[in-house]
Amino acid sequence: EVQLVESGGGLVQPGGSLRLSCAASEFTFSTYWMTWVRQAPGKGLEWVANINQDGSNRHYVDSVQGRFTISRDNGRNSLYLQMSSLRAEDTAVYYCARDHTYYNSNVYYDAFDIWGQGTTVTVS
Amino acid sequence: AIQMTQSPSSLSASVGDRVTITCRASQGIRNELAWYWQKPGKAPKLLIYAASILQSGVPSRFSGSGSGTDFTLTISSLQPEDFATYFCLQDYNYPRTFGQGTKVEI
Repeated sequence: EVQLVESGGGLVQPGGSLRLSCAASEFTFSTYWMTWVRQAPGKGLEWVANINQDGSNRHYVDSVQGRFTISRDNGRNSLYLQMSSLRAEDTAVYYCARDHTYYNSNVYYDAFDIWGQGTTVTVS
Repeated sequence: AIQMTQSPSSLSASVGDRVTITCRASQGIRNELAWYWQKPGKAPKLLIYAASILQSGVPSRFSGSGSGTDFTLTISSLQPEDFATYFCLQDYNYPRTFGQGTKVEI
């Protein structure tokens, strides 16, 4: 079964650091962009960052730029999110997602077709 | 960043009802929009991409339309399992941005 499994969440003090991991299975991980999305308690979804297939291209939402680093290890089929200088507003469930590129009518579209179950980060 | 505004923020409907959710972008995004649904305590799931193309396995009672700044998700005949929160997401540029969500209560 195609699957993503996050780990690494926990309770951390403001200003602290945490590294999230996402293990991929049953698909060719190295051929996909990958994404982190978070959801604060009782709130909506927020796109956090993504990374291309070989790690050479990354994008971040402004609120985490300079504090979070997305990376991947294709040999281990794993995606990571290194979080530092954590703030209370970073408290959320963090999901990793596979960023699937669809091609239709000469246009490429991205959509997150596989999601992990999420890992909870609490900054307090 | 492009702002995505969904309406309504919540709605109550009955089984069999036709339900429409709208999503408006603060600037034109062509048809580079996806819809997701999320049940309580679960990860989101992809419903529609490219504004109107159903993801494999999604029931045909779901449909999407729109281009530019205005988009619509329609459920033609609401089923009990459709109780969820629905989100739009623009994939036109970075940062990707979600709408705030529409909670559908049966």
